[in-house]
Order: sequence, then C-alpha cells, then structure tokens
Amino acid sequence: SAVISQKPSRDICQRGTSLTIQCQVDSQVTMMFWYRQQPGQSLTLIATANQGSEATYESGFVIDKFPISRPNLTFSTLTVSNMSPEDSSIYLCSVERVGEQYFGPGTRLTVT
Amino acid sequence: SQKIEQNSEALNIQEGKTATLTCNYTNYSPAYLQWYRQDPGRGPVFLLLIRENEKEKRKERLKVTFDTTLKQSLFHITASQPADSATYLCALAWVNRDDKIIFGKGTRLHILP
Repeated sequence: SAVISQKPSRDICQRGTSLTIQCQVDSQVTMMFWYRQQPGQSLTLIATANQGSEATYESGFVIDKFPISRPNLTFSTLTVSNMSPEDSSIYLCSVERVGEQYFGPGTRLTVT
Repeated sequence: SQKIEQNSEALNIQEGKTATLTCNYTNYSPAYLQWYRQDPGRGPVFLLLIRENEKEKRKERLKVTFDTTLKQSLFHITASQPADSATYLCALAWVNRDDKIIFGKGTRLHILP
C-alpha cells in the first residue's frame, strides 16, 4: 500500500492568484499522478510527474497553468496558476503500486 | 475515444440485500478494470482489480465480474450495510495507454437501515 498526504487540505483563493499543492508519499515511487475532480465529474488526469524529468501533461492541460515539480522520489507539487472560478475543484495526487492506484485525501480549492 | 458509463442516479438498497453497480465501456476492452470507493471529502480508495482474462474476482463481501463481450463490469456488495454507503468508481486501463487510467463518474450508493 501507500500512504499519501497533501497540503493544504482546502483553500479559498482570489481570482488571479496562484496556489501550490504539496504531495508527500511514504515511500519512493517512480511516477506520481495529479488529478482534478470537479463537482459531479469523474477524476481527470492532469499530468504525470517523473523524478528528474519534465511532467507529461494530458490534453487540455498546459505547464504554464499547472506547473509541476518533482524534486525527489517521495514528493511533488502542483501549482494552479492565475486562478479563475473554473479552477474550483478537488485536486488529488496519486501513485500506482502493482496495478493499484492510491490517492491522497485531496485539496479542495475554491476560487472567488 | 474510450468512454465509461456508470449509472449517474443514486442507488438505494435495503440493508442486508445485495447491491449491484454497473460499469459499461465502449470500444476496446481494457487490460484491467478497477473499482474504488470514495467517501465525501476524501480521495478514492482502491477495492478490487480484475484483468481482461478473468471473469470474476472476490474479496470478502465484494464481487466483481468482467464480461468483455458485453463490455461490462458488475460490482456486487453482498449483505450490504449502511457503512457501505459511498460513491463507487470504476476505472479502466488499456495496454497501450502508458499506464494511464480513465475513471467513470461513479455511482452513489445508499444502504438504507
């Protein structure tokens, strides 16, 4: 299994500002995934973060809007930049172990 | 593109009965299919994985079936309890998709005491 923590658990931010979300895993992993879950919607993969290389972004997501850092094998950050109300969502980080996906508790972001 | 369909309406089941949730997909059969439980304000929790060459998988009161002909997976909770009330997500992964997993929207299950 994997134990994942995220900070902050929730935040309310003003339009135009940025928020950095931290994700810590209890053991080393090669890939870390960042998802977004909007109200009533399924989880949508934003990007995959490998240690030592640039993150791979899914269609519809760009590095300028969602820059990701992966400084080591247990930690990653996702920044939501120049926020708008449409960015209000739950952001989750995740790792995979033997075909099982483990998720952090999520960061609930509200943009006003 | 691949689509996953789960019943968007909430499912109400009497305590003690078997709850059955459905996950349908289009196009190509996935390499494996997963079921997750998600409680309000929390991240999804992995429950079961079933591979394309498996028909059925069990874990305690949970049972998952996988029918590649119907392009459907069924998720059963037997002897359901109010504590089983949650949203259940199915997720599919295809071999040539670089380990990416696609999630359904989930079905809310309410077990009525």
